[in-house]
Amino acid sequence: GAVVSQHPSRVICKSGTSVKIECRSLDFQATTMFWYRQFPKQSLMLMATSNEGSKATYEQGVEKDKFLINHASLTLSTLTVTSAHPEDSSFYICSAIPQRGYDQETQYFGPGTRLLVL
Amino acid sequence: GEDVEQSLFLSVREGDSSVINCTYTDSSSTYLYWYKQEPGAGLQLLTYIFSNMDMKQDQRLTVLLNKKDKHLSLRIADTQTGDSAIYFCAPAASLVFGKGTRLSVIA
Repeated sequence: GAVVSQHPSRVICKSGTSVKIECRSLDFQATTMFWYRQFPKQSLMLMATSNEGSKATYEQGVEKDKFLINHASLTLSTLTVTSAHPEDSSFYICSAIPQRGYDQETQYFGPGTRLLVL
Repeated sequence: GEDVEQSLFLSVREGDSSVINCTYTDSSSTYLYWYKQEPGAGLQLLTYIFSNMDMKQDQRLTVLLNKKDKHLSLRIADTQTGDSAIYFCAPAASLVFGKGTRLSVIA
C-alpha cells in the first residue's frame, strides 16, 4: 500500500536552533501534503497544506515564518521549525494525497516525528 | 497495537440522519475524536467526547460512547450535501486512524 515516511522519528534540540523534518511519499507522487501537530493526548491540529511547486497554505494561528514548509518535489515535503522553543515540543505528522494510482481521496499518514526542545 | 475500525461507506438522503460507527481497541484515551476530511483538504477536528461521558450533543452532531464495548458513534441530524466527506474517529491516546467512513449525501 501507499507508504509515507518521516525523518527523523525523534529529535531533541536546544532552544533557539532550527529543526528540519522530512516527509516522503515512498511509492507514489503527492501533489498535496499536509502537516499536523499533536500535543500529548490532544487532537491533531492541521498546520498547513503543502502543494508541490507553490507556497504552502497555513491555517489560522500558525506562524509561517516559524514553520517553514517546502514542497520541492512530488515525493518530498519538509517542515522546518525555526528558532525552536520548548513550547514547540510536539508530535508532528504529515500526510499525503496520491496524485494518481492509489485512492486520490485518501490521506496516507506518516509515522510522525516527536520533537523535544530543551 | 491500537486498531480502529469503521465502515467504509455510508449513503443517506438529504435531510435524513447519518450514523457513523467506530470500534477501537485502546481504552486508555481520555478523549475520543471525530475528524472530517473534505475532498482535497486536511483533517479538521469535528467534535470530541470525554471518555467518562456517554453522550455529547453539539448542534446537529451527537456522539455516543459505549466504553464497555469500545464503540463510538457520530450521528449527524438533518444531513446536508455539505456534510459529504470522509469521517475519521480516533482515540486520543494513539495516533491511529481507521480508513474513515465516506459519507455521501444524496439530494
